[in-house]
Amino acid sequence: NAGVTQTPKFQVLKTGQSMTLQCAQDMNHNSMYWYRQDPGMGLRLIYYSASEGTTDKGEVPNGYNVSRLNKREFSLRLESAAPSQTSVYFCASSEAAIAKNIQYFGAGTRLSVL
Amino acid sequence: GQQLNQSPQSMFIQEGEDVSMNCTSSSIFNTWLWYKQDPGEGPVLLIALYKAGELTSNGRLTAQFGITRKDSFLNISASIPSDVGIYFCAGLIQGAQKLVFGQGTRLTINP
Repeated sequence: NAGVTQTPKFQVLKTGQSMTLQCAQDMNHNSMYWYRQDPGMGLRLIYYSASEGTTDKGEVPNGYNVSRLNKREFSLRLESAAPSQTSVYFCASSEAAIAKNIQYFGAGTRLSVL
Repeated sequence: GQQLNQSPQSMFIQEGEDVSMNCTSSSIFNTWLWYKQDPGEGPVLLIALYKAGELTSNGRLTAQFGITRKDSFLNISASIPSDVGIYFCAGLIQGAQKLVFGQGTRLTINP
């Protein structure tokens, strides 16, 4: 049982390059999330998808786009990477985005933008 | 946006000591979660709390949902080297769909 799988684990980009971070969950969860983690800042929500077919902005959405491809997969795209987007990115999923919202996390993608 | 204040930011203790950390907010929460993050990994859920006053244990870990619903506490008894990591609180504000995370408490243990 893999849980939440993120690819790639590491990535180095040059400023202005684009890339897509992939996330897949095998728990049949309805809701999925993308966070970034920076030192001393905890986890900040970028975008989330409460259910298949819907996406909403989180706390720090600027510079990112997302696609809920199907119930299993939720991708995060950086169209034109900037050094300020150097961070560790985590994908998470939960049964629902309300009430007893236990989120399960992937192992993260470590991104450096030069 | 809403904020959770987690303290302390870091702790340096001796093996065998007890540990206490807490999260506070000005908002009312109906769920509190405590996660642990090991180096190079994603956060893993330790304890979930759903009711004001609730006290829940998971081995040497005990967490409480504050009576005011604006705070939560995590205690670790008799710390061991594998307790090293970053501990995060997270809360679901009443009526909201998104978790709010604290800044984390980094725990370091001297053997």
